[in-house]
Parts: sequence; structure tokens; C-alpha cells
Amino acid sequence: DTAVSQTPKYLVTQMGNDKSIKCEQNLGHDTMYWYKQDSKKFLKIMFSYNNKELIINETVPNRFSPKSPDKAHLNLHINSLELGDSAVYFCASSQNLAGGPDTQYFGPGTRLTVL
Amino acid sequence: AQSVTQLGSHVSVSEGALVLLRCNYSSSVPPYLFWYVQYPNQGLQLLLKYTSAATLVKGINGFEAEFKKSETSFHLTKPSAHMSDAAEYFCAVSGGNDMRFGAGTRLTVKP
Repeated sequence: DTAVSQTPKYLVTQMGNDKSIKCEQNLGHDTMYWYKQDSKKFLKIMFSYNNKELIINETVPNRFSPKSPDKAHLNLHINSLELGDSAVYFCASSQNLAGGPDTQYFGPGTRLTVL
Repeated sequence: AQSVTQLGSHVSVSEGALVLLRCNYSSSVPPYLFWYVQYPNQGLQLLLKYTSAATLVKGINGFEAEFKKSETSFHLTKPSAHMSDAAEYFCAVSGGNDMRFGAGTRLTVKP
């Protein structure tokens, strides 16, 4: 009964390819997030969706496009992958919008390696 | 805008010794503060959070943190380190539209 799940766990691909990472939460939360964690463990928010509506869109290349088919799912599609996209991508969810005391629950991460 | 700064990217303690991980915050609104822990190859999980109630917050695994407004700090402590505490620890602040994480502190526990 995993709360926040991501697939795949590992993704190795060539430069220039297009790939997607899927995220699902079964917590009934309204808000979902995508974070990127680089090799130095720095964690940076990329996107936030509240009830399928984009709330936060940080300075991220437009090759990255989130899609939320329903409030339990937030997928991340990446076009024309570059070497610098190699990182661990974490999905998270919270009951309400960040800005309050709500805990964010994280998925196990997807380690993306671009060759 | 809000941000956190974690002092020390790497802290090493002996088993049984005091653990002190430092976090200072900056926020233009009353902050909500969090400590998360990340074990190797895993996602982050919440240790504890400050939500403007008690300034001394107790979390899981014997950790606690004290909110000090005058020092803009939210340091994480544990009286006695255990080998299983070895992990990456992240301080985070939430007070606007999102949550901002610090750069993380890697805790190593020596036998």
C-alpha cells in the first residue's frame, strides 16, 4: 500500500530521446509536486499541481512538461534529453498547497541517467 | 520569499554522541519549518515539523528541534546517535506558495 509511487525506478537513455516518468498517490491529496535532486543532493522544486491545475512552474526548460490527468496522478514528460538532465526525480504530494504546515510525502525517486 | 541555510554539508559523530544539525531560515511571513531525512536510495521522509505551536518539537527516532525566532534557527538534535541515523538530513521552510529545501547535511555515525 505504497502512498506515493513512481515508475520507473531507474531510467537509462540516450541524449535526444523523449521519456516519461509516472507518479501516483493514493493518499487523497490535492497537491502534487516534482522535484529534481542533483548529484550533490540539492533538491529543487520543478512543478506543483493543485487539483490538476498548475500552481508552481519554476525556471525549468520547456522540454519538461508535467501532465496531471487527475489529482492522483502527475506525470513528467521530458523531450530531447540532455546530459544535464541526469538526476534523481522525486514526486511528492500534500493535502493542501505548500505554504502551510502540511507534510509532503515523497515517492522513492526515479534515477535518470542520460548517456 | 523564504529560504533555509544548513551549516555544514557533512557532520560526523561517534555512536552515542550528541547529534546537532544546524538550520537557519529566512522568511518574510511566519514560517512553517520541517526536517526531513533521506536514507540511501530512498525518498525523503518527515522527521518533524514546526507549525507555530510549541517551539520545541519532538519527532520520530528520538530527534527534536527548537524554533528560535530571535536567532532565526531551527536546529535538529538527538542526545545519542545510533548507527541507523546515518543519512542525509534536509531542513525546509514553507510560508508562501511552496517549500524550499536546504542543501542537506550528511550525517555519518562512527562506531
